Amino acid sequence: AQSVSQHNHHVILSEAASLELGCNYSYGGTVNLFWYVQYPGQHLQLLLKYFSGDPLVKGIKGFEAEFIKSKFSFNLRKPSVQWSDTAEYFCAVNADYNTDKLIFGTGTRLQVFP
Amino acid sequence: EAGVAQSPRYKIIEKRQSVAFWCNPISGHATLYWYQQILGQGPKLLIQFQNNGVVDDSQLPKDRFSAERLKGVDSTLKIQPAKLEDSAVYLCASSATGTSFFGPGTRLTVL
Repeated sequence: AQSVSQHNHHVILSEAASLELGCNYSYGGTVNLFWYVQYPGQHLQLLLKYFSGDPLVKGIKGFEAEFIKSKFSFNLRKPSVQWSDTAEYFCAVNADYNTDKLIFGTGTRLQVFP
Repeated sequence: EAGVAQSPRYKIIEKRQSVAFWCNPISGHATLYWYQQILGQGPKLLIQFQNNGVVDDSQLPKDRFSAERLKGVDSTLKIQPAKLEDSAVYLCASSATGTSFFGPGTRLTVL
């Protein structure tokens, strides 16, 4: 069965530190990849997505992610985090071109301290 | 552009009671999804509609859960009777061009 793994369940950083959150998926075919963010008290929002083309995609708020097909990975990065980045981050995969349904990872809770 | 609307935002019921959630997708989005998000986990798809037809309900516990989208716009998800393990956030999402947009969710607590 298709699955998405997020290895970091809880990450604690100080402001200005660099961030990398891991995401691996278990599907060998063509995939669409997403990172969603959920700020405290808010709904899931799209951070960035990869459908095709340049494997390095840039999203909102300075986030970027790199699709490495050989590693089945789509890691999220930000060079310098801010306190306002405190949120839960979810990696998701769509591997069924007949639908847009998503398979989510378990999420990574990021806490950034000033 | 208005986002996905859901109501109620919170619901507390006792086990064996019934409950219903409502969702209005983004205007023009033909595809609508219901996801269940249990605390500490990522959202899991319950059911997907394309217009008013069901595309995928393989993960929907059909003995107690039902959903409909009669006019191809808004949708209702019902649980009857509820169990303790149904405590979760129920998310509605809609999509049009490969990207799903989520509503604020309904947090259900079953006592």
